[in-house]
Order: sequence, then C-alpha cells, then structure tokens
Amino acid sequence: QVQLQESGPGLVKPSETLSLTCVVSGDSINNYYWSWIRQPPGKGLEWIGYIYHTGSTNFKPSLKGRVTISMDTSKNQVSLKLTSVTAADTGIYYCARVGNYFDGSVNDAFDVWGQGTMVTVSS
Amino acid sequence: DIVMTQSPDSLTMSLGERATISCKSSQTVLWTSNNKNYLAWYQQKPGQPPKLLIYWASTRASGVPDRFSGSGSETDFTLTIGGLQGEDVAVYYCQQYFDSPFTFGPGTKVDIK
Repeated sequence: QVQLQESGPGLVKPSETLSLTCVVSGDSINNYYWSWIRQPPGKGLEWIGYIYHTGSTNFKPSLKGRVTISMDTSKNQVSLKLTSVTAADTGIYYCARVGNYFDGSVNDAFDVWGQGTMVTVSS
Repeated sequence: DIVMTQSPDSLTMSLGERATISCKSSQTVLWTSNNKNYLAWYQQKPGQPPKLLIYWASTRASGVPDRFSGSGSETDFTLTIGGLQGEDVAVYYCQQYFDSPFTFGPGTKVDIK
C-alpha cells in the first residue's frame, strides 16, 4: 500500500524559499507522475505542478518562475521549492500521485494523497 | 485555463436522502478519440486530505461505496450520493485533468440536518 508523507518547515518568512519533501513508501516513484497541490486555510484546492522520473515537469503558469519540483529516486522522494513567498502562499501543501487508470499519461486523477503539511508565511 | 464551477455551494439534507452536486467546466473535458471524460470527484472530510471517489466522470475508485455515483459528459457533470450517511459529511470537489493547468471546482459542502 503506497503512502506519501510530506515534511518541511511549518513557518517561512516572507521573501524566503519554501522547501518541502514528500517521501513515498510502498512503490517506486519511477512508476508514476507526482504532483503538488495546495490549499489555503478554509479554501479550495490549487494544483501547483507535476514531475515524472524522466525529468519532465509542468507548473501552473501563475507560479512559473517561482516553483521547482524535483525528485530523488535513491530516496524515493519528491521535493517542492517555492521562492519569494508571501502570505498568499500560506496553506496546506499536499503531495499526490497521478493514478494510472488508462495509458500512464499525466492526464489522470490523483489517486493517492499525503496527509499534507501546513506552511505559514509570516515574519 | 479550464474553469470549474460547482453548485450548490452547500447543502444540508437528512440521513437517507439523495444528494446531488453539479459541476460544470468552461470547455469540454471529453476526449473524443477515446470517449473519456477527464473528470474526477474527491471527498474531503475535516482535517483530512482529499480522497478520490470517482474518475473518468463515472468510475468509482476502489473501496468507494456504491451509493456514490458520477454522471455527465463534455461540460456538465453530477455527483450523486444515494442515501446520505453521517460519514458523508464533507466537502466535495470536482477536478478536470483534461488539460494543464489541472483545475478544481470551488467545492460543495454537504451537511446533515
């Protein structure tokens, strides 16, 4: 049974860089696409971007230039970096697996989610 | 970007009643070459991550009770909870994975009277 566990600093100062890690257990990260999704307090879900083991990435256009997603296959983990953060970046950050319900492409539902990690941007 | 809208924002119903949530996309999410609608539904209970309920608009994910059903095509979709149970209290989101950026609806909160 695959499990995802996000971790990182709960508090980040404005203008600094938010760095999170998602450790995947129960399956190899090479077999799937992986996404980061966030949720501001009391609000809805926002897709941030995805990565595949080939190095292929794609990000929400409004976050491009600030976001990096990488993976470390030796540690079976996926990482997120978001630079120049503001209070608007406060929220719960989820790591999610893109399911393989059809053809193994990135165009599939998010079938496994981590518990999420809360990040507050404040001085 | 494909914009997802949902209605109603919230609904409060009695146990055992049927709940219906609507989701609309600003453009079609039907890929005609394979006749699949790239639309998913998620359930998020308080303090928990979202859980996949339905994918391809109408296929239940593993372990999801059969009182949850999805229907619709192209731009109009519906999630139906047939026979509301206490454990169904949650926010429900639709999401399109037809095109990047992948987008979610604003959510519909379901409560029990």
